[in-house]
Amino acid sequence: DAGVTQTPRHEVAEKGQTIILKCEPVSGHNDLFWYRQTKIQGLELLSYFRSKSLMEDGGAFKDRFKAEMLNSSFSTLKIQPTEPKDSAVYLCASSFLGGHSAETLYFGSGTRLTVL
Amino acid sequence: GEKVEQHESTLSVREGDSAVINCTYTDTASSYFPWYKQEAGKSLHFVIDIRSNVDRKQSQRLTVLLDKKAKRFSLHITATQPEDSAIYFCAASWNQGKLIFGQGTKLSIKP
Repeated sequence: DAGVTQTPRHEVAEKGQTIILKCEPVSGHNDLFWYRQTKIQGLELLSYFRSKSLMEDGGAFKDRFKAEMLNSSFSTLKIQPTEPKDSAVYLCASSFLGGHSAETLYFGSGTRLTVL
Repeated sequence: GEKVEQHESTLSVREGDSAVINCTYTDTASSYFPWYKQEAGKSLHFVIDIRSNVDRKQSQRLTVLLDKKAKRFSLHITATQPEDSAIYFCAASWNQGKLIFGQGTKLSIKP
């Protein structure tokens, strides 16, 4: 089975640009998460979907970050406009609620974003 | 809001010794406590978890202890090996699915 696929692996953007990160969850999973990882803040939850419905919209990240789940097998995270402080690794994870291993997250390899 | 604190940011132990990583959480409604491992240059992967209906769970060299009164849980690694070197993240779930992570502990195993 394919794991969580994230593209691109690396992204370099100029300040003010719009970038879109993509994620394909594990087939059959019904929960999808976007996290941001930095050395200072650790892992911060950006968005959380259950069966394509937005459960968590990111609180402090709401103004420039927007995650969407267009169908059960594809999600995007848009950052608009980007700022240098957005430089981080963005991780997508999925899980299957209701199975034997409910709540175990499977992480993608991440997208490393650098904003100049 | 919900918070998970991971007490040790770095930990260094000699190969063969035991390592213990401690976490605390704020919400008494937490019911699920997993641990994830991140090796250098890689993403996170699940290693072990514990649910609030038990206070101890073991899987090979890993043991998780849960103290609900103190709102504390810990990961114990025995007979450490070089491949145990990684960043370990604890996490807690307040409702089904949503996980809040600790800051991570970088574990180094010295030969």
